[in-house]
Amino acid sequence: AQSVTQPDIHITVSEGASLELRCNYSYGATPYLFWYVQSPGQGLQLLLKYFSGDTLVQGIKGFEAEFKRSQSSFNLRKPSVHWSDAAEYFCAVVPSGTNDYKLSFGAGTTVTVRA
Amino acid sequence: EAGVVQSPRYKIIEKKQPVAFWCNPISGHNTLYWYLQNLGQGPELLIRYENEEAVDDSQLPKDRFSAERLKGVDSTLKIQPAELGDSAVYLCASSLLPATEAFFGQGTRLTVV
Repeated sequence: AQSVTQPDIHITVSEGASLELRCNYSYGATPYLFWYVQSPGQGLQLLLKYFSGDTLVQGIKGFEAEFKRSQSSFNLRKPSVHWSDAAEYFCAVVPSGTNDYKLSFGAGTTVTVRA
Repeated sequence: EAGVVQSPRYKIIEKKQPVAFWCNPISGHNTLYWYLQNLGQGPELLIRYENEEAVDDSQLPKDRFSAERLKGVDSTLKIQPAELGDSAVYLCASSLLPATEAFFGQGTRLTVV
């Protein structure tokens, strides 16, 4: 079955430390891949996207993600975390090569930033 | 450029009452989504429109939920009657085309008491 998995429910990181959030997918063909961030009481904001090409994708707010076909992964990273990065992060996918354009989300990872 | 606009932001109703949510997508966006988000979970698709056609409503509980997208622009999601378990955040999103990035509104937080 098609699925997108975020293995980490909650991550705590110190301000200034690096952050990596994991995302794995299970689809027949490489889907289109997205990362969104959601601050409390807000909607989702797109951080970055991957359709094809360069496997290292740069996004907003200093985030980047790397697509690894062999691992069916699309992990999100940030070299130095700021207190304002505390939020919920969602990986999302859209199947490619079909007429099914359903945008599906992982369960999310909550990031807490400690001073 | 204005983003996706949803109203109301918050709604408290008694169970068995009807409720409606409104969404105005980004101008020119043909695809419109309604998602349900329970606390601590990822959004789950309720319905997706391409212009005025509902192309994926397989997850919409049709016994109590209905949606429409008049003239392929604004959309309304209705629940009648509401149940306690419907308490959640209802998110609307739009995209220019299918499979392109979706932009989200701030959501409507529904509380059914």
